[in-house]
Amino acid sequence: NAGVTQTPKFQVLKTGQSMTLQCAQDMNHEYMSWYRQDPGMGLRLIHYSVGAGITDQGEVPNGYNVSRSTTEDFPLRLLSAAPSQTSVYFCASRAGEHGYTFGSGTRLTVV
Amino acid sequence: GENVEQHPSTLSVQEGDSAVIKCTYSDSASNYFPWYKQELGKGPQLIIDIRSNVGEKKDQRIAVTLNKTAKHFSLHITETQPEDSAVYFCAASTGGFKTIFGAGTRLFVKA
Repeated sequence: NAGVTQTPKFQVLKTGQSMTLQCAQDMNHEYMSWYRQDPGMGLRLIHYSVGAGITDQGEVPNGYNVSRSTTEDFPLRLLSAAPSQTSVYFCASRAGEHGYTFGSGTRLTVV
Repeated sequence: GENVEQHPSTLSVQEGDSAVIKCTYSDSASNYFPWYKQELGKGPQLIIDIRSNVGEKKDQRIAVTLNKTAKHFSLHITETQPEDSAVYFCAASTGGFKTIFGAGTRLFVKA
């Protein structure tokens, strides 16, 4: 099992550019989430999905879109990058009432 | 809104000593409390969890305690080793999608 795979690992964007962060899991988990991690602020939920075709907003959804067409994939789209979106992004998945399995993260810098 | 407070933000101990990290949650409906360890450049990894019907759980050198009345839960690491140095996150979940993370504790174990 590969677990949760995120790509790319690093990305630099210019303000206003768009991009998609990829996330895939091979554990058949129904729950998937995107978090951003900023210094001193822990992990904040951006968007989540409880199954294919179902997504909803988390704590900090503005500027991001998601879709869940399959159980395995949960991409995160930045519509128009802003410096405030400079962060480390983690995708995570879990099955039922268990802890999350996290990917290794994408470090995004917006200049 | 719901939140999880985590203390201390930084903890430095001598190798072999014990380390304790404390968290307080606000949502009385929380019923699942995982702890994660994050090493440099990696995603958080689940190390232990506890459910609301249990007061204490132990796994080798780590243990968690839960006081539902006071809405407190703690992580205890005994006989600390240099490889325990990392950032530790507590979290509280009400079931379903919602998991709220603490801001993290950076643990240094000095050899």
